[in-house]
Amino acid sequence: SAVISQKPSRDICQRGTSLTIQCQVDSQVTMMFWYRQQPGQSLTLIATANQGSEATYESGFVIDKFPISRPNLTFSTLTVSNLSPEDSSIYLCSVEGGGEITEAFFGQGTRLTVV
Amino acid sequence: DAKTTQPPSMDCAEGRAANLPCNHSTISGNEYVYWYRQIHSQGPQYIIHGLKNNETNEMASLIITEDRKSSTLILPHATLRDTAVYYCIVRVAQSGYALNFGKGTSLLVTP
Repeated sequence: SAVISQKPSRDICQRGTSLTIQCQVDSQVTMMFWYRQQPGQSLTLIATANQGSEATYESGFVIDKFPISRPNLTFSTLTVSNLSPEDSSIYLCSVEGGGEITEAFFGQGTRLTVV
Repeated sequence: DAKTTQPPSMDCAEGRAANLPCNHSTISGNEYVYWYRQIHSQGPQYIIHGLKNNETNEMASLIITEDRKSSTLILPHATLRDTAVYYCIVRVAQSGYALNFGKGTSLLVTP
């Protein structure tokens, strides 16, 4: 299994500012995934982050808006830039446990409110 | 788009079995059926997965039809803590693939 610590758990930000979310894993993992969950909706993949390379973004998400860092095999950050009220969501990071089952483990999420 | 179809909501009485259906008629031969759940304000939690045989673990049982076009997640004795959104996801078992979440089924367990 993998234990993920995600910070902050929640924040209220002014529009036009940025928020950086940290994701720390207790073991080394190759890939980390960032998801967004808008109010009342399901999870949507933002990007996949590999250590040592640029993140791969899904359609509708761009690096300028959601820059991601992946400095080592246990840590990643997601920044949500130039915030607007539409960015109010829960952001979650996820990793795979490895081995045969390849189940995913998730952080507890960061609840962002933009005012 | 998600490859699965689930009812948007279900109710279940506490102590009874909760049977959550999922249709995945376009599933490929190398894709597994995974189930996750998300309790309010928490990250999703892995429950169980299977390829074609029925599977059981400490949390639930997974019944997959012979043609693999549908499956049922069974919580044998539902408790109030099982109230959550349940997601049925099909994907290959190899590592490196993200999860494609559909809308899931919101299960309400009532006293």
